Amino acid sequence: ETGVTQTPRHLVMGMTNKKSLKCEQHLGHNAMYWYKQSAKKPLELMFVYSLEERVENNSVPSRFSPECPNSSHLFLHLHTLQPEDSALYLCASSQGNGDRWSDEQYFGPGTRLTVT
Amino acid sequence: GQNIDQPTEMTATEGAIVQINCTYQTSGFNGLFWYQQHAGEAPTFLSYNVLDGLEEKGRFSSFLSRSKGYSYLLLKELQMKDSASYLCAALDSNYQLIWGAGTKLIIKP
Repeated sequence: ETGVTQTPRHLVMGMTNKKSLKCEQHLGHNAMYWYKQSAKKPLELMFVYSLEERVENNSVPSRFSPECPNSSHLFLHLHTLQPEDSALYLCASSQGNGDRWSDEQYFGPGTRLTVT
Repeated sequence: GQNIDQPTEMTATEGAIVQINCTYQTSGFNGLFWYQQHAGEAPTFLSYNVLDGLEEKGRFSSFLSRSKGYSYLLLKELQMKDSASYLCAALDSNYQLIWGAGTKLIIKP
């Protein structure tokens, strides 16, 4: 247990569905992240929130919409996804903000997403 | 562009030593991380190097050469539970993490 939980662990959805991924961290961290992990590819950073404000958005398609209601919770809202969006979606948190981005990240177990 | 290179897969024998190399090219540099990821699980932090040299942590050691853009993770007295993917990630001048694709380490009895 890393102190970061994600639900659901597995999700199968059609291209016209709307679903949300949830992440919760119990570590008192200030920063939270969404990553996409595809087989044999580097982790792709999607979104970063620091103190509930988005600080990074790496040209992610608008069909992915993040929400950070407070420093402990992070959501990823999904709609009209494509089959190539099938991947493992990892949430992470770290103490970092400002000049402390060198702190290690704690990852959740991920949501295995399959888009049919 | 920014890039991390590490071998795709390595095989080693239980009880032996293995070295996993990582080379990086980034815009500026603020340190290098190693993470371990078992199949179907979350990545977990192993080490962070920002100064040149070797840092030892039990059976695992991590080395950094900033002038060469090079790091390695050294695993000693290999155990079957060390079978996992090892992810190298460099922190650039904007404190953005640049990730490698990971090295899958297979341990054989």
